[in-house]
Amino acid sequence: LAKTTQPISMDSYEGQEVNITCSHNNIATNDYITWYQQFPSQGPRFIIQGYKTKVTNEVASLFIPADRKSSTLSLPRVSLSDTAVYYCLVGDILTGGGNKLTFGTGTQLKVEL
Amino acid sequence: DTGVSQDPRHKITKRGQNVTFRCDPISEHNRLYWYRQTLGQGPEFLTYFQNEAQLEKSRLLSDRFSAERPKGSFSTLEIQRTEQGDSAMYLCASSHRGARGYEQYFGPGTRLTVT
Repeated sequence: LAKTTQPISMDSYEGQEVNITCSHNNIATNDYITWYQQFPSQGPRFIIQGYKTKVTNEVASLFIPADRKSSTLSLPRVSLSDTAVYYCLVGDILTGGGNKLTFGTGTQLKVEL
Repeated sequence: DTGVSQDPRHKITKRGQNVTFRCDPISEHNRLYWYRQTLGQGPEFLTYFQNEAQLEKSRLLSDRFSAERPKGSFSTLEIQRTEQGDSAMYLCASSHRGARGYEQYFGPGTRLTVT
């Protein structure tokens, strides 16, 4: 299993861009990188997923360098409602094997006024 | 699409009692996962089903835990002879092969407190 390392916490202010980096040095060839967001007392929610280079959707961007040993989730212009825990997952999602998807401890993002 | 639902949302039980949780996945999702989450930690995989077949179980899943998914629809997770260490949030997720591979949709969870 590819282990991931993320900062435990980050603080930001409304309107700022937030970048959360995840290290996954032993990522395998078939592994994808997926980010989830979790609010208190709720299940995690899918944010974005990628394999290499850059992926962008309506809420975030995901930057993956060529060696794929790290990835950066970028949240543009955060608001108070973005305060949550963000998890970086690395796994072979194409086969969907549950044991291949591992959540780390996540990054607690706190956004203030 | 009404999302993944779980019942009950909260359960308080005494040590040694049996408890059962239910998960209703998004309709037509063929994969269903159970996770356990303790305070300050990320969700921890327990087991998953493809249709009615239980394909994988974590080594963390003791013999006191059993899960079923009859007819490939809803699933139940039973914990026998509960222990205080079983206190956690139990999350269910479902998925299907879509444009984003096996993206998992999580339910709100069942919070179990063993006293």
